[in-house]
Amino acid sequence: QQQVKQSPQSLIVQKGGISIINCAYENTAFDYFPWYQQFPGKGPALLIAIRPDVSEKKEGRFTISFNKSAKQFSLHIMDSQPGDSATYFCARNAGNMLTFGGGTRLMVKP
Amino acid sequence: ETGVTQSPTHLIKTRGQQVTLRCSSQSGHNTVSWYQQALGQGPQFIFQYYREEENGRGNFPPRFSGLQFPNYSSELNVNALELDDSALYLCASSWGGRGNEQYFGPGTRLTVT
Repeated sequence: QQQVKQSPQSLIVQKGGISIINCAYENTAFDYFPWYQQFPGKGPALLIAIRPDVSEKKEGRFTISFNKSAKQFSLHIMDSQPGDSATYFCARNAGNMLTFGGGTRLMVKP
Repeated sequence: ETGVTQSPTHLIKTRGQQVTLRCSSQSGHNTVSWYQQALGQGPQFIFQYYREEENGRGNFPPRFSGLQFPNYSSELNVNALELDDSALYLCASSWGGRGNEQYFGPGTRLTVT
């Protein structure tokens, strides 16, 4: 049973545009929600994370928005650049394990 | 770079063989988690080691086993390899056993033929 549902599966954005990736979770027990960026052949790199007592967190061009009542959270990438082209994973941390969404393959066109 | 290292980078094994993968955690971290990532999918949690003890396990059979050493480095052992074990194996380093950010290494690409 998939506990974190991620959409869309793929996304094409023009350079300078906003990339938006959404995730929904099912269970209520959690510690925090991280986002990872993964390039082909590499391990996932922690991008940004949010804890449930915060509704929004911004780091540079990356912003997480968290809607606790709707059990949803999203990643916004502002001023998207070709170097942002990668696969993005949302995850839920509850206790000692990360449960990942299915991933979103982002392509930013120059 | 996270400071988490894994070896080897790539490995090719035959079905039925055994394999050992290694991970060195980031300085200051005492917890190592292992994940399996099949092509085109998100990582799946295998198990976690905290202070040299298994601290949680995902839905993987007993032929997946591990160790953590006093210096917090870790090994993942897989016996009786199956074709479906072909994947990228990732270790993640963190502090405290639960609830803290996990930082991934580059992974070991295992191919079972």
